[in-house]
Amino acid sequence: NAGVTQTPKFQVLKTGQSMTLQCAQDMNHEYMSWYRQDPGMGLRLIHYSVGAGITDQGEVPNGYNVSRSTTEDFPLRLLSAAPSQTSVYFCASSYSGLAGGAAGRTQYFGPGTRLTVL
Amino acid sequence: AQSVTQPDIHITVSEGASLELRCNYSYGATPYLFWYVQSPGQGLQLLLKYFSGDTLVQGIKGFEAEFKRSQSSFNLRKPSVHWSDAAEYFCAVAINFGNEKLTFGTGTRLTIIP
Repeated sequence: NAGVTQTPKFQVLKTGQSMTLQCAQDMNHEYMSWYRQDPGMGLRLIHYSVGAGITDQGEVPNGYNVSRSTTEDFPLRLLSAAPSQTSVYFCASSYSGLAGGAAGRTQYFGPGTRLTVL
Repeated sequence: AQSVTQPDIHITVSEGASLELRCNYSYGATPYLFWYVQSPGQGLQLLLKYFSGDTLVQGIKGFEAEFKRSQSSFNLRKPSVHWSDAAEYFCAVAINFGNEKLTFGTGTRLTIIP
């Protein structure tokens, strides 16, 4: 298993540009999520999905869009990048609800994408 | 809403010394508690988790954590640290079994000196 993969690893954008951060998992997890990590603020939830076709907002959703057309993929879209979106972005996945029992309550994180918006 | 506090931003310990990282949570009931570790430039790896039962939980890499309901705490401990333990450590909570949304603390950076 590759686990959770993210591409690209690094990206530099200019203000106003758009891009999509890719996230894929091969563990058949229903739940997937996106976090951003900023110095001194820990990780904050952007959007999450409990299954294909179902998404919802997290703590800091503004400026980001998501969709979930397959179980495996959960891309994060920045429609018009702003310097405030400079951050490290992590994708995570896990079983959803009671699937997997207590052992399933582990979220697996990807290696992250470091995004700089100039 | 639930919250997590890690009061120590940065801790420095000598190799071989014991370690305790503090975590306090705010929530009306018992949440589900996690400790993650992030090595430089890497993603997050789960060290251990608490759902119910024995309040002392063992994790990977020789770490353990104790849940204390009366203090709303879930402190992480290791009896003897190794240079490879240098990393950032995050405490996180989820408020119920079916809620995978994690709320993270701000992290504690651990430096190990020879």
